[in-house]
Amino acid sequence: KAGVTQTPRYLIKTRGQQVTLSCSPISGHRSVSWYQQTPGQGLQFLFEYFSETQRNKGNFPGRFSGRQFSNSRSEMNVSTLELGDSALYLCASSLDPTGTQPQHFGDGTRLSIL
Amino acid sequence: DQQVKQNSPSLSVQEGRISILNCDYTNSMFDYFLWYKKYPAEGPTFLISISSIKDKNEDGRFTVFLNKSAKHLSLHIVPSQPGDSAVYFCAASANNFNKFYFGSGTKLNVKP
Repeated sequence: KAGVTQTPRYLIKTRGQQVTLSCSPISGHRSVSWYQQTPGQGLQFLFEYFSETQRNKGNFPGRFSGRQFSNSRSEMNVSTLELGDSALYLCASSLDPTGTQPQHFGDGTRLSIL
Repeated sequence: DQQVKQNSPSLSVQEGRISILNCDYTNSMFDYFLWYKKYPAEGPTFLISISSIKDKNEDGRFTVFLNKSAKHLSLHIVPSQPGDSAVYFCAASANNFNKFYFGSGTKLNVKP
């Protein structure tokens, strides 16, 4: 069974640009969550999507946004990139949005801002 | 506000012995807890979970214990193997939401 797939694996951008990251969940998983991992802050929840709707949102500015498609694939977008956005962005999928099923993670997209 | 804390950044254990990783939380509404293992350049891998209606869950060499009154959970690995060397994260969620709070991780080194 294929795992969670994130593309691209690595990305280099400059300040002010925008970026779109992609996530394909495990087949049959309908909930997709995004996390940011930095050395100083650890893993922090960005948002969760289920049935193409954002269900939960973390404490991040509006520059961070996402969406989910009818096939459960998800994208997240970061606009007006800042140096502090350099991080590993992780996508996780689970069977449902009830918070009673484990989330399974992809290997992440390493975003570097120059 | 760190609602889930792993106060030991690292732990070193001899192969064959028990590894005990600890996690504390502050939010009494947390009702579902997970442990993950993470190798460098890979995403976290799910290990084991526990619901707040239980105080113990076992899966092979891994056992998670939950002490709700102390707001504390621990992961026991017996026996420890060199391949267990990785960073371990605990995570918690509340009220049937898929919003998980993660600890900062504990780096486990199992020495041959």
